[in-house]
Amino acid sequence: SQQGEEDPQALSIQEGENATMNCSYKTSINNLQWYRQNSGRGLVHLILIRSNEREKHSGRLRVTLDTSKKSSSLLITASRAADTASYFCATDNNNDMRFGAGTRLTVKP
Amino acid sequence: IAGITQAPTSQILAAGRRMTLRCTQDMRHNAMYWYRQDLGLGLRLIHYSNTAGTTGKGEVPDGYSVSRANTDDFPLTLASAVPSQTSVYFCASSPTWGVVPQHFGDGTRLSIL
Repeated sequence: SQQGEEDPQALSIQEGENATMNCSYKTSINNLQWYRQNSGRGLVHLILIRSNEREKHSGRLRVTLDTSKKSSSLLITASRAADTASYFCATDNNNDMRFGAGTRLTVKP
Repeated sequence: IAGITQAPTSQILAAGRRMTLRCTQDMRHNAMYWYRQDLGLGLRLIHYSNTAGTTGKGEVPDGYSVSRANTDDFPLTLASAVPSQTSVYFCASSPTWGVVPQHFGDGTRLSIL
């Protein structure tokens, strides 16, 4: 069964705008990761946030984690057409890793 | 370039046939994983291997088997394919079990008719 659920399922924005994707989960976790998947390709790891962290940055990516609400968000700032992809959250609970169904992001040039 | 190689990239298979999906990594990772990705369901773990010589069942293991004779190879076998096994299959690896992130191959698209 899925642990993480992304919201929205699909998001379409203009280049230069910010994109925010959310992930909710059900049980306690050790860490939460965000992955990106381009069409026809495998998943690529973007960022990992541990359960004792609240916010993490990597370039144009900002991830937050609220363990009290069992939720995380991924913010992509100043989006580019090349950011078009599916984004997945994955929760890790004692080596039990579960993926959500993903958010399909389309960035229009 | 170091990484994971999966073969074939796609396959159409008649129901009842046997099929082995190949996965090879050159990163000397101890842990390897097989997932299936279905629309609306995300990735689900089929089988995993902590290290060469050991394997374990994931969330959806029925109808699949794996072997880990050496560090680099982790083939997935469908003994008698059924239409519900139509999916995209991804192999992944990580340095050790439980260490993230995982590194993914580009997948095998399998259609069972």
